[in-house]
Amino acid sequence: AQTVTQSQPEMSVQEAETVTLSCTYDTSESDYYLFWYKQPPSRQMILVIRQEAYKQQNATENRFSVNFQKAAKSFSLKISDSQLGDAAMYFCAYRVPQGGSEKLVFGKGTKLTVNP
Amino acid sequence: DGGITQSPKYLFRKEGQNVTLSCEQNLNHDAMYWYRQDPGQGLRLIYYSQIVNDFQKGDIAEGYSVSREKKESFPLTVTSAQKNPTAFYLCASSTKTAPAGEQYFGPGTRLTVT
Repeated sequence: AQTVTQSQPEMSVQEAETVTLSCTYDTSESDYYLFWYKQPPSRQMILVIRQEAYKQQNATENRFSVNFQKAAKSFSLKISDSQLGDAAMYFCAYRVPQGGSEKLVFGKGTKLTVNP
Repeated sequence: DGGITQSPKYLFRKEGQNVTLSCEQNLNHDAMYWYRQDPGQGLRLIYYSQIVNDFQKGDIAEGYSVSREKKESFPLTVTSAQKNPTAFYLCASSTKTAPAGEQYFGPGTRLTVT
């Protein structure tokens, strides 16, 4: 079974600094997708960034970027120029198409605190 | 605006009662999902549906039931058989036209059973 591991239950960063959140996953599949979701105190889950496994280029979305290491099964999220509004739970998720299913497997999350 | 609505935001029930959580989407998405979130547990899949009148069990389906009579709606019933029903419940949807199949979430319902 596929699993997603986030080894950092909590992280903190100073405003305007850079922070990296770790995620590893276990799979025997070659074609899959990876996601980072943000859950602020409102508890609304927000898609931050996505990565297709067949793409070697790391995805970027403004201040958010990933370091995708397929051989190492690693998918870390880098947040640059951290802002107070970045404070949230961050979840790494993995998806493999299984007969048309679009199931996501989530890690347990990393709580990010941004200090002013 | 297109989106997913869940109602109510907070729900309180007595032990032994069934309760139904609402989830509606106007995104024209084919697939819908129900997740349960507990502290320190991440999100766990309860049920999902890829088309109307069809649904599959997820990882923790025991004590829950769903229906998918309309494309827009995917209500979740928490039955009295669910041993620990107090949790935060999230509904999501996705479309096959998005290559990555990313899921979009509703605001969630916090269920408290006493």
